[in-house]
Amino acid sequence: GAGVSQSPSNKVTEKGKDVELRCDPISGHTALYWYRQSLGQGLEFLIYFQGNSAPDKSGLPSDRFSAERTGGSVSTLTIQRTQQEDSAVYLCASSLSHSQMAFFGQGTRLTVV
Amino acid sequence: QQQVKQSPQSLIVQKGGISIINCAYENTAFDYFPWYQQFPGKGPALLIAIRPDVSEKKEGRFTISFNKSAKQFSLHIMDSQPGDSATYFCAAGMDTGRRALTFGSGTRLQVQP
Repeated sequence: GAGVSQSPSNKVTEKGKDVELRCDPISGHTALYWYRQSLGQGLEFLIYFQGNSAPDKSGLPSDRFSAERTGGSVSTLTIQRTQQEDSAVYLCASSLSHSQMAFFGQGTRLTVV
Repeated sequence: QQQVKQSPQSLIVQKGGISIINCAYENTAFDYFPWYQQFPGKGPALLIAIRPDVSEKKEGRFTISFNKSAKQFSLHIMDSQPGDSATYFCAAGMDTGRRALTFGSGTRLQVQP
């Protein structure tokens, strides 16, 4: 596609439910990143995928968070047993293999009520 | 070590004025310093980036100044326009090791007509 596509754009869920957020990177981009942006804050790194290498999960805040990337393309971020503090905008970015130029999607705004 | 400190938190500039946003980092392994612009409801968009082998990079009205010895870099927006009103994030990254960008906390810029 022309840009990084994320879905849904908005998600409201009840506390304790599981949610899945989807990211479609730019075609040909082998690197994919997930970040979290809380209200009025900067971007917090969550996880990084590069080709077939083991992902860098060092930013995941708890074991309730997980992500996978199928076929080196689409990625899904899963949050289990959501908590109110999980409310934030979840941003996905992608880049070419050896480039630091990351392009962001518009994000998924998650609200846990 | 991984932090990037950004200031000011918010900035009001008159149309035609110069907007200046500053960032500082600690980790000397960082070798890529981009600035992102984010409008409400949108993902961050790459604005301009610099590597430590140059002290300044200019693209149109946007200039990055880089001071390697002081571990500081700044964004200058010349002839600021109301359309520049957005949140600006500095970031730092490295080609080896952890590939994900480390972001500053953001500066909300308002350009008054």
